[in-house]
Amino acid sequence: NAGVTQTPKFQVLKTGQSMTLQCAQDMNHEYMSWYRQDPGMGLRLIHYSVGAGITDQGEVPNGYNVSRSTTEDFPLRLLSAAPSQTSVYFCASSYSFLSSYNEQFFGPGTRLTVL
Amino acid sequence: DAKTTQPTSMDCAEGRAANLPCNHSTISGNEYVYWYRQIHSQGPQYIIHGLKNNETNEMASLIITEDRKSSTLILPHATLRDTAVYYCIVRGMGDKLIFGTGTRLQVFP
Repeated sequence: NAGVTQTPKFQVLKTGQSMTLQCAQDMNHEYMSWYRQDPGMGLRLIHYSVGAGITDQGEVPNGYNVSRSTTEDFPLRLLSAAPSQTSVYFCASSYSFLSSYNEQFFGPGTRLTVL
Repeated sequence: DAKTTQPTSMDCAEGRAANLPCNHSTISGNEYVYWYRQIHSQGPQYIIHGLKNNETNEMASLIITEDRKSSTLILPHATLRDTAVYYCIVRGMGDKLIFGTGTRLQVFP
């Protein structure tokens, strides 16, 4: 198993550009989520999905869109990038949202800089 | 908002036990205590979780007080590779995983 994969690893955008951060998992996990981590801070939840076709907002959803058309993929779209979105983005997945055993597996992260 | 309070940083000598405390005084009866760690700038890694009983796995032990208002993560023989930020998280089934700022553990030779 490849686990949770994220592409790209690094990205530089100009203000106003749009892009999609890709996330995929091959563990047949129901639950997937996106976090951002600013320097020296903890992770903040952006959006999450409890299954294909179902998404919901986390703590900091503004400026981001998600969709979950398949179990494996959970892309994060930045509609119009702003410097405040400069951050490291982590995707995570777990077997079940409703289980107490909810070990989340994290991807290696995408480092995004918005100029 | 995170439901836990942790010290900002701690030091530990290599080979000694690292005891990382966490306060969660508002924890409710159906909420679990989870521990994750983040080494350098990698993605966080699950360590252990528990409800009310003490738990142990190959990585660590989790001691939860009887009133469940606090817990301690124990790394029995810390190594330099255990240097990381450790997050204590309280979560109920069906709840999101919300991270706080964690404890930065520095293991020194």
